This record gives sequence, C-alpha cells and structure tokens, in this order.
Amino acid sequence: AQTVTQSQPEMSVQEAETVTLSCTYDTSESNYYLFWYKQPPSRQMILVIRQEAYKQQNATENRFSVNFQKAAKSFSLKISDSQLGDTAMYFCAFRNYGGSQGNLIFGKGTKLSVKP
Amino acid sequence: GAGVSQSPSNKVTEKGKDVELRCDPISGHTALYWYRQSLGQGLEFLIYFQGNSAPDKSGLPSDRFSAERTGGSVSTLTIQRTQQEDSAVYLCASSQSRGGFYNEQFFGPGTRLTVL
Repeated sequence: AQTVTQSQPEMSVQEAETVTLSCTYDTSESNYYLFWYKQPPSRQMILVIRQEAYKQQNATENRFSVNFQKAAKSFSLKISDSQLGDTAMYFCAFRNYGGSQGNLIFGKGTKLSVKP
Repeated sequence: GAGVSQSPSNKVTEKGKDVELRCDPISGHTALYWYRQSLGQGLEFLIYFQGNSAPDKSGLPSDRFSAERTGGSVSTLTIQRTQQEDSAVYLCASSQSRGGFYNEQFFGPGTRLTVL
C-alpha cells in the first residue's frame, strides 16, 4: 500500500523569505501523480501544484515549485517570497495512475505560519 | 454556487445517535469522494462514487458508516450509532472523472462532527 510521510508537523517563515516543505512517499508503481494541497483555517482544500511521475521536469506555479526526486521518492514544495496568506496546513498527496482507485492518499500535513 | 457544498457546516451529536452529512458536488462531475480528517491526522479516504458504477467502499472504517449517491448527484454519508472517535471533519470532493492528471478533485468546506 502506498504511504505518504510529512516529517515536519510545523514550520514558520518570515514574510518574503523562502521555505521548503518535505514529503516522502512509498510506492512500487512506476507512474503516479503527486500533489500539494493547501488548507487555510476556512477548511477549504485548494490544489497548489501537481506533478506526474514520468515527467522529470519539476512543476512550477508562480511562487510555488517542487523538487521531485523519483529515485528517492521525495516531493518537496518550495514557496518563494512567502506571503501572510500562505499561512495554512499543507498536505502532500499521492494518487495511482489509472487503475481502479482515483482517491488521494494524504500525508498528515505541515502547519506553516508566515510571520510579518 | 459553482463549488462543492456540504451541510451542515457543524454538527454536534450525542454518542449513539445517527447522523447524516450531505454533499452537493459540482454540476456535471461524475466522481465523488468522501474523506475524513481527524485531529492531527491527514485526510483518510472513506468511499468514492464514479458515475453509475458500484461505489468503492474500501475506506469505510466500520459497518456503521454508509453512503449513497442519488441520481448521480447529491451524496449522503450516514454514521449510525456514533462514537466519540467518529469526531472529525468530513470532507467531500468531486471531479470530472476518477483518474487522469488534469481531473482535479475539488473539495467542499467540510462538516465538523463532534460526538459528545
């Protein structure tokens, strides 16, 4: 069974600085999808960025980028120029490619606080 | 509204009572997922519906949990004889189909269930 591990329960960063959130996963599959979701206090889960495992190029979305290391099964999220609105829980998630299950498998999350 | 909606937003119940949680997915989305988010835990998959296919119930924690989806749209998650360990936020998500890289899961704001 696939598992997702986020080893940093809480992190903080000063506004305008850069922070990296860690995620590792375990799977025997060669192709799959990886995601980072943001959950602010409103509880609304928002997709931040996604990566398809067979693509070696790291995904980027504005201030958000990932460092995808397939051999190491690592998928870290870098937030540049941190803003107060980035304060939230961040969840790393895995999904199988094709197959019968489209559900996401989540890590336990990292609580990020951006300080002014 | 164009998003996934859930009701009620909060539910407080007594141990042993039955509760029903409702999810209205985005119109036209054929896949619908239920997840549970317990304190300090990531999101745990419960059940998912894909079109008219039999639901995937592999994540349901016990036979006290059940869900139905009427007319391929609204879904109700029912918890019978609630226990204190059922206290959690229950999140619903929908997507255009169950797989595919760009079939993003859109989440509702969740229902916070408290069992006294």
